[in-house]
Amino acid sequence: AQSVTQLDSQVPVFEEAPVELRCNYSSSVSVYLFWYVQYPNQGLQLLLKYLSGSTLVKGINGFEAEFNKSQTSFHLRKPSVHISDTAEYFCAVTSNTGNQFYFGTGTSLTVIP
Amino acid sequence: NAGVTQTPKFRVLKTGQSMTLLCAQDMNHEYMYWYRQDPGMGLRLIHYSVGEGTTAKGEVPDGYNVSRLKKQNFLLGLESAAPSQTSVYFCASSSTEYNTEAFFGQGTRLTVV
Repeated sequence: AQSVTQLDSQVPVFEEAPVELRCNYSSSVSVYLFWYVQYPNQGLQLLLKYLSGSTLVKGINGFEAEFNKSQTSFHLRKPSVHISDTAEYFCAVTSNTGNQFYFGTGTSLTVIP
Repeated sequence: NAGVTQTPKFRVLKTGQSMTLLCAQDMNHEYMYWYRQDPGMGLRLIHYSVGEGTTAKGEVPDGYNVSRLKKQNFLLGLESAAPSQTSVYFCASSSTEYNTEAFFGQGTRLTVV
């Protein structure tokens, strides 16, 4: 089975500052990793995903994430945040042995003007 | 592009009442899922289906039943609602290709009083 740990439940950051949201996973098999964003009162939408190949993955809205197999991490980064990035962010994992998605508990990003 | 559609969007139930949440997807996906989202707990899998006529239990199945009579629809039933079932419910679907993400509906906010 897989599991995901998001190390920070809340992250406040000033506008135009960089941000990193941390995600660690555990799995005994090869994994696929995802970051989703949830804006208030909406469903989840995909930011980016890692399947294979380059460990640096670029997504929508200027976000990127780096897959680190040795540290079992998939941290999300943005060099300069905007007010509109205020949202809940979820890291998720699935594997090539099944198709259940396991989600972390979420990180609430608040961008301060 | 409808994607994944959930009905209803909001509902208030009295303890002991029953109801059914409907999820419909138009992407011809094999896999469908029901999650509940609670503060600080992320998304937890209730039940899932890997194809028409099949269902399986997830992490928190007690108090819920599901049916997948048609490939495009996945129903979540509460036979006797309890206040502990107050939550936001999300339906998602994904294809059998392991490199694709889950697509989410907009959610159903259920309050049991």
